[in-house]
Amino acid sequence: AQSVTQLDSQVPVFEEAPVELRCNYSSSVSVYLFWYVQYPNQGLQLLLKYLSGSTLVKGINGFEAEFNKSQTSFHLRKPSVHISDTAEYFCAAGGYNKLIFGAGTRLAVHP
Amino acid sequence: DTAVSQTPKYLVTQMGNDKSIKCEQNLGHDTMYWYKQDSKKFLKIMFSYNNKELIINETVPNRFSPKSPDKAHLNLHINSLELGDSAVYFCASSQGGSGAGQYFGPGTRLTVT
Repeated sequence: AQSVTQLDSQVPVFEEAPVELRCNYSSSVSVYLFWYVQYPNQGLQLLLKYLSGSTLVKGINGFEAEFNKSQTSFHLRKPSVHISDTAEYFCAAGGYNKLIFGAGTRLAVHP
Repeated sequence: DTAVSQTPKYLVTQMGNDKSIKCEQNLGHDTMYWYKQDSKKFLKIMFSYNNKELIINETVPNRFSPKSPDKAHLNLHINSLELGDSAVYFCASSQGGSGAGQYFGPGTRLTVT
């Protein structure tokens, strides 16, 4: 069965520092991979996605993620975070019709 | 323009009542979903409809009944509400499956007292 593990429930970081949010998935077949962001009291917004091709995927708001098939990972990175990046981040994996979400990582950016 | 909208945004009701949540998308997508997010932020799919036909029905109590009158709408009706139904319910849509990315509504926070 497919599963998605986000290794950190919370990541505190100072403003302008780099950040990496870790995500591992388990699957024996090709999957689609996604990162979503959820700001307080809002719905989820798609940050970026990997379907195939280049393993480095660039998304909105300066985020990027790298697909690593051998490590079954899809870590999210940003070289310099802002206060406004404070939110919950969800990694998701799935096939054609169904997405499995990780438990989320709370990114807290401090001044 | 709101891509995926849900009403109501907040819903407070008592145990045993029946309530509905409405969802509409104006993206022209052919697939719509309902998710439940619990108090620990865990997000789990409940249902998926493609062109008004049910394609995913996870292990959800029969008290939950989705209805899709057309491709742009997917409503969720809940009978005999229980305390454990308290959660945030998200509607989402996509075109041709999940590969293009699912677009989420703002959520409906349901509180059962």
